[in-house]
Amino acid sequence: EPEVTQTPSHQVTQMGQEVILRCVPISNHLYFYWYRQILGQKVEFLVSFYNNEISEKSEIFDDQFSVERPDGSNFTLKIRSTKLEDSAMYFCASRGTGTSNQPQHFGDGTRLSIL
Amino acid sequence: GNSVTQMEGPVTLSEEAFLTINCTYTATGYPSLFWYVQYPGEGLQLLLKATKADDKGSNKGFEATYRKETTSFHLEKGSVQVSDSAVYFCALSYYGGATNKLIFGTGTLLAVQP
Repeated sequence: EPEVTQTPSHQVTQMGQEVILRCVPISNHLYFYWYRQILGQKVEFLVSFYNNEISEKSEIFDDQFSVERPDGSNFTLKIRSTKLEDSAMYFCASRGTGTSNQPQHFGDGTRLSIL
Repeated sequence: GNSVTQMEGPVTLSEEAFLTINCTYTATGYPSLFWYVQYPGEGLQLLLKATKADDKGSNKGFEATYRKETTSFHLEKGSVQVSDSAVYFCALSYYGGATNKLIFGTGTLLAVQP
């Protein structure tokens, strides 16, 4: 069965540095998402992306965050200047088209640790 | 706003025991409801879903029924196994738009002992 793959599985970065989290969605999917889960807290929506543009973003997704689909297969989340509170598990998800109730498929996540 | 509330864990059961994990939601309109499962060291996997009132989602022996009158979507399994040990997330979403973001509950850790 096709999978969403995320790299790296664990990223350790100094505060203030830029970080890019990478995702390869399922190949025929057109809707892409990023979520995050701070340790011990809920999984929270960050941003959705469709037709090469952001379709919705949460209040968490401020100017320090950006997303890109640079080459038709990868979907990246960039944090420009990381803060301690950005430490979390980040999940990528993708969804296909067809019937209106296609579920989202998730990757295994990237654990981001900011020092 | 829209939200999901799950019973707090951890839930610790012996093998073959009956499982219930409660989930209630607050939403306008008619959301779709989901249970996702996260096994240790892995990502979120869709366990089951229901898209309208009175629908029953089922998979791997797990079931949940969309109850509009009580705004609930409780997860049940008649006989749990050690391999069911994981974190279970209840979630809702609205279909039909370009977003369909998922709104998750806090997750419930299930530990099944042999």
